[in-house]
Amino acid sequence: AQKITQTQPGMFVQEKEAVTLDCTYDTSDQSYGLFWYKQPSSGEMIFLIYQGSYDEQNATEGRYSLNFQKARKSANLVISASQLGDSAMYFCAMIMPHSGGGADGLTFGKGTHLIIQP
Amino acid sequence: DTAVSQTPKYLVTQMGNDKSIKCEQNLGHDTMYWYKQDSKKFLKIMFSYNNKELIINETVPNRFSPKSPDKAHLNLHINSLELGDSAVYFCASSQLTRVDEQYFGPGTRLTVT
Repeated sequence: AQKITQTQPGMFVQEKEAVTLDCTYDTSDQSYGLFWYKQPSSGEMIFLIYQGSYDEQNATEGRYSLNFQKARKSANLVISASQLGDSAMYFCAMIMPHSGGGADGLTFGKGTHLIIQP
Repeated sequence: DTAVSQTPKYLVTQMGNDKSIKCEQNLGHDTMYWYKQDSKKFLKIMFSYNNKELIINETVPNRFSPKSPDKAHLNLHINSLELGDSAVYFCASSQLTRVDEQYFGPGTRLTVT
């Protein structure tokens, strides 16, 4: 069974600094996808970034980038120039696509509570 | 336009009652999911469903049942509610061929008293 580990329950970071949120995963499958979601205090799940296991380039979306190291089974999220509005829970998640299409749903890590300080 | 919507947003009920949470998506997706987020913020898949297959997480009690009247809707019905069912329930959807696009609803906070 697949597993996602986020080792940082909480982080405090100064505004404008870069932040790295750690995520390691465990699967024996070759085909999988990795996600990062942000959950602010309002509760909604906001998609940030996706990396497919066969993607050769690291994914980037604006200030977010995913540092994908396949051999180490890590998929760290990097937030550049952090802002006060980045304060939230951040979840790493993995999906295992079926060969015929579809998937069983996301497997989530326990999350990291990020607080940006002015 | 809201892509994935859930009703109600809040639900407070007593132990032993039966309740339903509704989910609708207007994205034309063919796969829908239910997730449970517990008090420690841990998110766990409960069901994934497309028009051909229902996949149930084996840890989900059979008091929980998804019901899909059509491809755009996947409702969650819960029988004989227990205190431990208190959580936030998220609906999500994706395209069968695009699992990289997972859209979440706003969540339903269920409180069982």
